[in-house]
Amino acid sequence: DAGVIQSPRHEVTEMGQEVTLRCKPISGHDYLFWYRQTMMRGLELLIYFNNNVPIDDSGMPEDRFSAKMPNASFSTLKIQPSEPRDSAVYFCASSLDRGFSEQYFGPGTRLTVT
Amino acid sequence: KNQVEQSPQSLIILEGKNCTLQCNYTVSPFSNLRWYKQDTGRGPVSLTIMTFSENTKSNGRYTATLDADTKQSSLHITASQLSDSASYICVVKGEKLTFGTGTRLTIIP
Repeated sequence: DAGVIQSPRHEVTEMGQEVTLRCKPISGHDYLFWYRQTMMRGLELLIYFNNNVPIDDSGMPEDRFSAKMPNASFSTLKIQPSEPRDSAVYFCASSLDRGFSEQYFGPGTRLTVT
Repeated sequence: KNQVEQSPQSLIILEGKNCTLQCNYTVSPFSNLRWYKQDTGRGPVSLTIMTFSENTKSNGRYTATLDADTKQSSLHITASQLSDSASYICVVKGEKLTFGTGTRLTIIP
């Protein structure tokens, strides 16, 4: 398996623009997680899905953020409109079960909002 | 409030030397504790997981310890190599996952 795949790897956009980050989890994994990582706050869980259904979105910072998982092999994280404070590395991870067993992380998307 | 604190924030050591990273937590109830290694520009990769009943677990040159009474864990790296340069993140599972902010380790030749 190729592991968790994220695209794009880097994204530079202007404030106010819409940004869409994409993730393909490992086949057979039932859980998918979106994280944001900054130097100041470290890794923060934004939202996670089980069998394509959002379970906990309490980490989503505000209404500008939304995430979808239309099928077992694809998820998106959208920011609209983007702001400079959204600049961070966004990771997608997947795992096998509810017990938060080992999560396999993708390479991340580095987002810069100018 | 559930918290995970790691120390030091950063550490620089010479290649071949040993080092120990610390993780203190206040997460309750406690389920398990995992150490991740994150190379620059990559996602975190799990090194080891510690459950309540485990005191010590080794993975090659990495040895993790857990003291559930004092709510402390350590990650000891023996005979460090340049490839050990990375951030090390402690993650504690209670009702939810709580992440530490990591220790940035730099190995110099």
